[in-house]
Amino acid sequence: TQLLEQSPQFLSIQEGENLTVYCNSSSVFSSLQWYRQEPGEGPVLLVTVVTGGEVKKLKRLTFQFGDARKDSSLHITAAQPGDTGLYLCAGASGGGADGLTFGKGTHLIIQP
Amino acid sequence: DVKVTQSSRYLVKRTGEKVFLECVQDMDHENMFWYRQDPGLGLRLIYFSYDVKMKEKGDIPEGYSVSREKKERFSLILESASTNQTSMYLCASSLGPHQPQHFGDGTRLSIL
Repeated sequence: TQLLEQSPQFLSIQEGENLTVYCNSSSVFSSLQWYRQEPGEGPVLLVTVVTGGEVKKLKRLTFQFGDARKDSSLHITAAQPGDTGLYLCAGASGGGADGLTFGKGTHLIIQP
Repeated sequence: DVKVTQSSRYLVKRTGEKVFLECVQDMDHENMFWYRQDPGLGLRLIYFSYDVKMKEKGDIPEGYSVSREKKERFSLILESASTNQTSMYLCASSLGPHQPQHFGDGTRLSIL
């Protein structure tokens, strides 16, 4: 069974600070996705990373896929209250038809 | 834009009732998924389907069944609802099994 461990589980910081959340596994994934879920809504895809070492930027969010494709990080610069939410990473194994492996998520609160 | 619509945002049922949760997607996606989301446990896959009339068990299928009579519709059935099935239920669809998933807004189900 493939597992994705996300850390930290909870993070509460002040507006304007920087932060990094992590998604780690002992398994190799063919691609990794990051989602954000706001209260009362379903998760929404932010980005997909495919190549080992790949870096993608989405405004103040920077996503990196580890060289060995076993881990990923999400860095937020100058966090805003609108960044508040549950951040989920999900890995695709490349084989089988049973979809994605989801981490348990990082609950992020940005205080004004 | 892909739209995944879940029939109810909130639902309250009694123990022993048969409960139907409906999900419809409008993008002709082959794959559809049902998850439940609980605090501290993350997203757990109940059932998924990769074609009409096809269904596969996920990680926690006990007490649930599904129906996919049409490509756009995937129904989750609680045969005899129990209090431990109180949860947030999320439906998702995707083009392929490892492609990004598009989620509905969820049904918060309470079993009394």
